[in-house]
Amino acid sequence: RKEVEQDPGPFNVPEGATVAFNCTYSNSASQSFFWYRQDCRKEPKLLMSVYSSGNEDGRFTAQLNRASQYISLLIRDSKLSDSATYLCVVNRDDKIIFGKGTRLHILP
Amino acid sequence: EAQVTQNPRYLITVTGKKLTVTCSQNMNHEYMSWYRQDPGLGLRQIYYSMNVEVTDKGDVPEGYKVSRKEKRNFPLILESPSPNQTSLYFCASSFGTSGTGEQFFGPGTRLTVL
Repeated sequence: RKEVEQDPGPFNVPEGATVAFNCTYSNSASQSFFWYRQDCRKEPKLLMSVYSSGNEDGRFTAQLNRASQYISLLIRDSKLSDSATYLCVVNRDDKIIFGKGTRLHILP
Repeated sequence: EAQVTQNPRYLITVTGKKLTVTCSQNMNHEYMSWYRQDPGLGLRQIYYSMNVEVTDKGDVPEGYKVSRKEKRNFPLILESPSPNQTSLYFCASSFGTSGTGEQFFGPGTRLTVL
């Protein structure tokens, strides 16, 4: 079983809809959690860090559930420009572990 | 401009011919790492460095070497490249020594080994 798992998608979602992704991690020693966005084999860029208290940045909300070992990302009022691959990232024992990513296509 | 640079951006080489991919950051970051990205496998960490002269293996270190003689530079060395090392490589850096901060990525190096 991979240490960080995501549904690869693709998620095909109409513009304006709300979409949610989950990511599970298997090692309870994991310390830090992030969502990154990657466009078409370009370099990944940080979307947001994820905290147990939850955090929101505009249309994006991220949540960490340590008890169940998953993190979530919610995108409200989706835009065409949200089409990308979303990467779940975990830091554990100084290492960085990426999920394989979830592909999102926003349809006009 | 704060950035991570990698060179070369594209490289085609032959099996067994030693090569080095350079990585440099101008943000005074302690933590640097190398990743490879392959279809269906995602990004996997090859090596990381928590500071000058401190390096450690990631998930897929076989066939690679690194060095961290200066804070800003973290070259990736393939002593004897093989076709299974054909991949898209990213270098990244972050503040702090444990990799818990935001990773800033270079633009990537597309390597083909024939």
